[in-house]
Amino acid sequence: ETGVTQTPRHLVMGMTNKKSLKCEQHLGHNAMYWYKQSAKKPLELMFVYSLEERVENNSVPSRFSPECPNSSHLFLHLHTLQPEDSALYLCASSQARGYEENIQYFGAGTRLSVL
Amino acid sequence: DQQVKQNSPSLSVQEGRISILNCDYTNSMFDYFLWYKKYPAEGPTFLISISSIKDKNEDGRFTVFLNKSAKHLSLHIVPSQPGDSAVYFCAASGTGSARQLTFGSGTQLTVLP
Repeated sequence: ETGVTQTPRHLVMGMTNKKSLKCEQHLGHNAMYWYKQSAKKPLELMFVYSLEERVENNSVPSRFSPECPNSSHLFLHLHTLQPEDSALYLCASSQARGYEENIQYFGAGTRLSVL
Repeated sequence: DQQVKQNSPSLSVQEGRISILNCDYTNSMFDYFLWYKKYPAEGPTFLISISSIKDKNEDGRFTVFLNKSAKHLSLHIVPSQPGDSAVYFCAASGTGSARQLTFGSGTQLTVLP
């Protein structure tokens, strides 16, 4: 496997469910990101992890809980979501230092539907 | 308020002609700019970038131009090919927050055969 892999690709969940999104990168990067993309809107940065420490949390509701156990894996734990949380969730990775940190590489995303 | 704007949601171009995608930004602290391409059911893929110390960067058929005084950048694709049909996102980052990319809302490019 190469690049950034996200699972599952599609997820349907009820508002009382608990689920997790998984992201794995095989690029040797040490920074990872979660983004949300809603229809007709720009990508919204949710969380940034650099060297396994959370460095950014852009006012994301607590029903979204990230976890970064190592530099290759990133999770987004979901619980008691709302229908407006339905969106495409994208994971990305980059180098944590130098100019290369500007270039982020994305997974294919998880299409989430909350019923 | 959106700091990175792509005012054209869609663009159609004939195969072989030039495609010009535009992007405007408002934050003068941005110093690095990127273009990403996205096909349906795939994540955005990095295409080309430019730092604020340059006004042009070229990579094959793709050229990005930066006009700092106008806070405007553009992506030129020449010649355009049907496989270039995708959504193109402009993104920007700034000194001190280089990890934060601010994206535009995207432009759907359709290259007609």
